[in-house]
Amino acid sequence: GAVVSQHPSWVICKSGTSVKIECRSLDFQATTMFWYRQFPKQSLMLMATSNEGSKATYEQGVEKDKFLINHASLTLSTLTVTSAHPEDSSFYICSATPFGIMDNSPLHFGNGTRLTVT
Amino acid sequence: AQTVTQSQPEMSVQEAETVTLSCTYDTSESDYYLFWYKQPPSRQMILVIRQEAYKQQNATENRFSVNFQKAAKSFSLKISDSQLGDAAMYFCAYRSPAYSGAGSYQLTFGKGTKLSVIP
Repeated sequence: GAVVSQHPSWVICKSGTSVKIECRSLDFQATTMFWYRQFPKQSLMLMATSNEGSKATYEQGVEKDKFLINHASLTLSTLTVTSAHPEDSSFYICSATPFGIMDNSPLHFGNGTRLTVT
Repeated sequence: AQTVTQSQPEMSVQEAETVTLSCTYDTSESDYYLFWYKQPPSRQMILVIRQEAYKQQNATENRFSVNFQKAAKSFSLKISDSQLGDAAMYFCAYRSPAYSGAGSYQLTFGKGTKLSVIP
């Protein structure tokens, strides 16, 4: 149980275009989802916290107008990279927590999306 | 803010041997949760083991066990009888309790330790 699906797994886009990444909780409801970014050989850095039905909370230094997050339902959060540039190339991972979970429950991660901007 | 430190960027172990990965953290909270995640080349994050700070007993999951030293703020991972499939990046992570607020389920990760298993 507790499966998180992320799509697409990889995407190549041209500079200046926008790319949407979807994160779905397949067998549970997720009131909160998290978006992480991982550079090669580095750790996961939290970008934003996505809350169903409300605005996302962005970490310091993350441009909210560039990384648009929408959490329209209890099973879907989307991250849109707007006007992508080569420096946005990275590995993006979403994670979700079930609604009403036990306090010690771990986050469940999607498989990640490798974004390459040319 | 909490910080998580993994001081070993890379480690190697002979197959069937035991290896210990180090993790220290800094926090002012008394309640929290600690996790070890494994990230193989596929980059899927896989939970290895978890520990609640209020529990004195060290968590174990088959070949994986932790040495949790709350006073020292240390949380090391021991892998026994290492297997080739254990080769991966290992991340130590910290999480605040739910009552800390809406973002409490977010994880703070260490920089990771790359584990190689030698046949």
